[in-house]
Amino acid sequence: QKEVEQNSGPLSVPEGAIASLNCTYSDRGSQSFFWYRQYSGKSPELIMSIYSNGDKEDGRFTAQLNKASQYVSLLIRDSQPSDSATYLCAVNVGGRRALTFGSGTRLQVQP
Amino acid sequence: DTGVSQNPRHKITKRGQNVTFRCDPISEHNRLYWYRQTLGQGPEFLTYFQNEAQLEKSRLLSDRFSAERPKGSFSTLEIQRTEQGDSAMYLCASSLIASRYEQYFGPGTRLTVT
Repeated sequence: QKEVEQNSGPLSVPEGAIASLNCTYSDRGSQSFFWYRQYSGKSPELIMSIYSNGDKEDGRFTAQLNKASQYVSLLIRDSQPSDSATYLCAVNVGGRRALTFGSGTRLQVQP
Repeated sequence: DTGVSQNPRHKITKRGQNVTFRCDPISEHNRLYWYRQTLGQGPEFLTYFQNEAQLEKSRLLSDRFSAERPKGSFSTLEIQRTEQGDSAMYLCASSLIASRYEQYFGPGTRLTVT
């Protein structure tokens, strides 16, 4: 079992819809969870961080964390074609300083 | 705040040659990380510095790889005797000790070994 797992996609949604991206992790001791957005040929860009159970909202983005189920998700409301990118889930597995990344979910927003 | 910078942005080298990459972190960031990313995968951790001390190295980091961070400022990553399997994007990230592991990435150096 991979330490951080994501569905590779592509996830295709129409413009204006809600995109829901999911991530599971294996280590119950993990405390910090991040979502990065990566456009093709570019480096990852931090868009959300979440540390406690529940929801955290920032503009059109909402991160959700459920430590009991070892599950973290990212919702993108009012999806735009410019949101088309790969979304990487990252976790500090075992409390390590380094992040462990999933392989990413490719999101396509259709105009 | 000028962000993390990396040089060069692209490097093409022949198998067996040595290459060195440089990373300048966000000023005042005391932690610096190196990751490697290949197509279709997330970044994989290579090594991490807190100030000038190298505190962790991944098992991925063979003895052909070495990293330094003299004086706790910029860092260099050297790959000796490059192999075709070293072709990847090499990413540098930095963070503050107080930031709960939030890491900010530079633009990366794309290495192609021919």
